[in-house]
Amino acid sequence: EAAVTQSPRSKVAVTGGKVTLSCHQTNNHDYMYWYRQDTGHGLRLIHYSYVADSTEKGDIPDGYKASRPSQENFSLILELASLSQTAVYFCASSPDWGEDTQYFGPGTRLLVL
Amino acid sequence: GEQVEQRPPHLSVREGDSAVITCTYTDPNSYYFFWYKQEPGASLQLLMKVFSSTEINEGQGFTVLLNKKDTRLSLNLTAAHPGDSAAYFCAVSASGGSNYKLTFGKGTLLTVTP
Repeated sequence: EAAVTQSPRSKVAVTGGKVTLSCHQTNNHDYMYWYRQDTGHGLRLIHYSYVADSTEKGDIPDGYKASRPSQENFSLILELASLSQTAVYFCASSPDWGEDTQYFGPGTRLLVL
Repeated sequence: GEQVEQRPPHLSVREGDSAVITCTYTDPNSYYFFWYKQEPGASLQLLMKVFSSTEINEGQGFTVLLNKKDTRLSLNLTAAHPGDSAAYFCAVSASGGSNYKLTFGKGTLLTVTP
């Protein structure tokens, strides 16, 4: 069965600090995604990647960086965390872009104080 | 780009009643449609994937209707039970180019009371 794991599952960060969220998939999927979920906004795409060592901007990339060091791993980096980045972050993977089902990880709840 | 409006944001029904959630989308070239279910504190799980060539898809206890003319997608839970209580999200994907990503609706929080 498809498996996407995320770490940490929850985190409290201070404003201005650096935060790294990690995602690992064992699906052998080419595509990986980072979304944030806010109440009343659904899921919004931050960054995505279709191959190792390459990332692409999604709809709301400002304030976030991404890193794809291998096919299995995809990280989201907040260099200078801000209060507005408090949200739940989901990682997902899929075999292809758009037409294929995306499989989601359990989410990371980030609180920036 | 694609915009997806999902209604209603909250829905409360009694056990055994039907529940209907509707999404309207703007890109007539949209071709792939998804419904996800998110139980409290959990991740998103695929409920159904629909292609534009089919209009009615039936799952276990629910039906998905696609009206391409009106660019509308709906999820109909025919006889809701408390285990259906969750947030439901539609997602739409156009085919080709930069529009090939998923655009999600804002979600519907469904509560089914015994």
